[in-house]
Amino acid sequence: KNEVEQSPQNLTAQEGEFITINCSYSVGISALHWLQQHPGGGIVSLFMLSSGKKKHGRLIATINIQEKHSSLHITASHPRDSAVYICAVRSRGSQGNLIFGKGTKLSVKP
Amino acid sequence: DSGVTQTPKHLITATGQRVTLRCSPRSGDLSVYWYQQSLDQGLQFLIQYYNGEERAKGNILERFSAQQFPDLHSELNLSSLELGDSALYFCASSVGKEKQFFGPGTRLTVL
Repeated sequence: KNEVEQSPQNLTAQEGEFITINCSYSVGISALHWLQQHPGGGIVSLFMLSSGKKKHGRLIATINIQEKHSSLHITASHPRDSAVYICAVRSRGSQGNLIFGKGTKLSVKP
Repeated sequence: DSGVTQTPKHLITATGQRVTLRCSPRSGDLSVYWYQQSLDQGLQFLIQYYNGEERAKGNILERFSAQQFPDLHSELNLSSLELGDSALYFCASSVGKEKQFFGPGTRLTVL
């Protein structure tokens, strides 16, 4: 079993829809990252969380440390949000390196 | 633009060969991480350097090695290349354990 599990694997939405991507992990962590990878391959770090909730524009990330679960929400989705979203954790005691989920491929149709 | 640069962007080589991938971190970042992204394995951590010293090792093969130089740039050396080494190789940098900034990646194709 992977240490970081994401669901769903693939997601297709209509423009304007509210989107949720889930991440569960099985190790103790000191931080969780949400990353975005565009079709060209480049990776952008969206959020780093250790508790609570963070918001940036239309993106919201939450984490529940007790339940070992995080969610990434996209409000008013747009075709430019189409990308692979990757959850990654920094395990407690690590030097900073990340353990990655397999990613969720999001496609937003106009 | 993350501020992290990687060269080359693409590399095509033959089995058995040796290549060197280069990464320049963001100004001021002391930590450099190398990651491999293959179709079947996803993203995997290879190795981390902090201010010139190796800090952590992940799933890095013995045929692979890395170093970080005094100017903080880093190189990842891959030798005796196999078809299965074909992947995207990312470098990331950070200040300590904070948010990581990823380079554009080097796409390695081994024929």
